[in-house]
Amino acid sequence: GAVVSQHPSRVICKSGTSVKIECRSLDFQATTMFWYRQFPKQSLMLMATSNEGSKATYEQGVEKDKFLINHASLTLSTLTVTSAHPEDSSFYICSAEDRETQYFGPGTRLLVL
Amino acid sequence: LAKTTQPISMDSYEGQEVNITCSHNNIATNDYITWYQQFPSQGPRFIIQGYKTKVTNEVASLFIPADRKSSTLSLPRVSLSDTAVYYCLVGDGLGGTASKLTFGTGTRLQVTL
Repeated sequence: GAVVSQHPSRVICKSGTSVKIECRSLDFQATTMFWYRQFPKQSLMLMATSNEGSKATYEQGVEKDKFLINHASLTLSTLTVTSAHPEDSSFYICSAEDRETQYFGPGTRLLVL
Repeated sequence: LAKTTQPISMDSYEGQEVNITCSHNNIATNDYITWYQQFPSQGPRFIIQGYKTKVTNEVASLFIPADRKSSTLSLPRVSLSDTAVYYCLVGDGLGGTASKLTFGTGTRLQVTL
């Protein structure tokens, strides 16, 4: 199947700093990518839909100014967690669709101290 | 978005066949049914996808009745390494924009000796 990568795999940062997470489709192009967040022992929650060349669409309750999404090319979407706080600590996962099937990245573990 | 309902957990012994059933009563005409497997601290991994009847690949089979209001993932002869959470999702797989997927609780499968 298609491959989606994320970088970094884990990051630790101080409260108040910003963290950027990259999501890449390695062997296909994706005009749309999705960002999810997963807390321990819980299911994935969709945060936003990243659209190449246009603004992202955020799910209800997700602050667009806090979670900045940029989808500058057909193979790369970035999620920036601005002014991160301990409650933003979570597992962030992206996905991209290739021929009617969504493939997920390996995830990024964010720990905010 | 069609909602899915699955058993929260299942237990099996190694070598047995495991069948996990998912209900999706309000599935739309355009929706495909996709199953994913997730290990701790990893992104979901695609297992199988189908629209109707039966689909089989090298790791699983997917049975979909004529009314498509449910589906059953069948894992033949499970091993300890199949211990994971299994998610059933439905989404619009037809051409055009990528489909948003809503994750339910998933089924936590525990395989023991």
